[in-house]
Amino acid sequence: EVVLTQSPGSLSLSPGERATLSCRASQSVSSAYLAWYQQKPGQAPRLLIYAASSRPTGIPDRFSGSGSGTDFTLTISRLEPADFAVYYCQQYGFPPETFGQGTKVEVK
Amino acid sequence: QVQLVQSGAEVKKPGASLKVSCKTSGYTFTTYGISWVRQAPGQGLEWMGWISPYNGNKKNAQKLQGRVTMTTDTSTSTAYMELRSLRSDDTAVYYCARGLDSSVSYKDYWGQGTLVTVSS
Repeated sequence: EVVLTQSPGSLSLSPGERATLSCRASQSVSSAYLAWYQQKPGQAPRLLIYAASSRPTGIPDRFSGSGSGTDFTLTISRLEPADFAVYYCQQYGFPPETFGQGTKVEVK
Repeated sequence: QVQLVQSGAEVKKPGASLKVSCKTSGYTFTTYGISWVRQAPGQGLEWMGWISPYNGNKKNAQKLQGRVTMTTDTSTSTAYMELRSLRSDDTAVYYCARGLDSSVSYKDYWGQGTLVTVSS
């Protein structure tokens, strides 16, 4: 199965700063099949990005995704208080679909 | 609006069985697939399997083969996940999630989660 490795494991930043989260796949994944989710404590994950760079309706444009092949990035341009959470990447190009282990974005 | 509402928390003994329900509303049930994803305490997300409410096709994670069964009831737009021979490492929050009608898909709507505790 495709292993997704997220880095860093945690990120300490202040509101207003830029966050850059990485997701590396153990084999090439079509960019059409990479998603990002946000999860806050006690809540279900929330879809932020699909097809590597597409945002669902209602997701603010400060969230952006990029990448191809084995390297993908989620960027939060200016952190707001509500953005401090855990972020997961997911590949759905090769069954079984798999998730990364998560990156925690915490307040500095 | 799209909603997935799951059944409540459960406490089970090792060896018992569990059945979680996921009642959907706000969309045509047979147009999208339903996946089940679990999350052990303090851990990441683990895909368990997928079912198509349209034709009943399903795929399960290899590590759960023989222990998990996913079903749907189109008359009530509800999906079910049954897990048998429970072990302590099945303790987790179990989520249902809507995706495309494909065994691999992103998930655009999630249930609120069902906490399952397996303990003697």
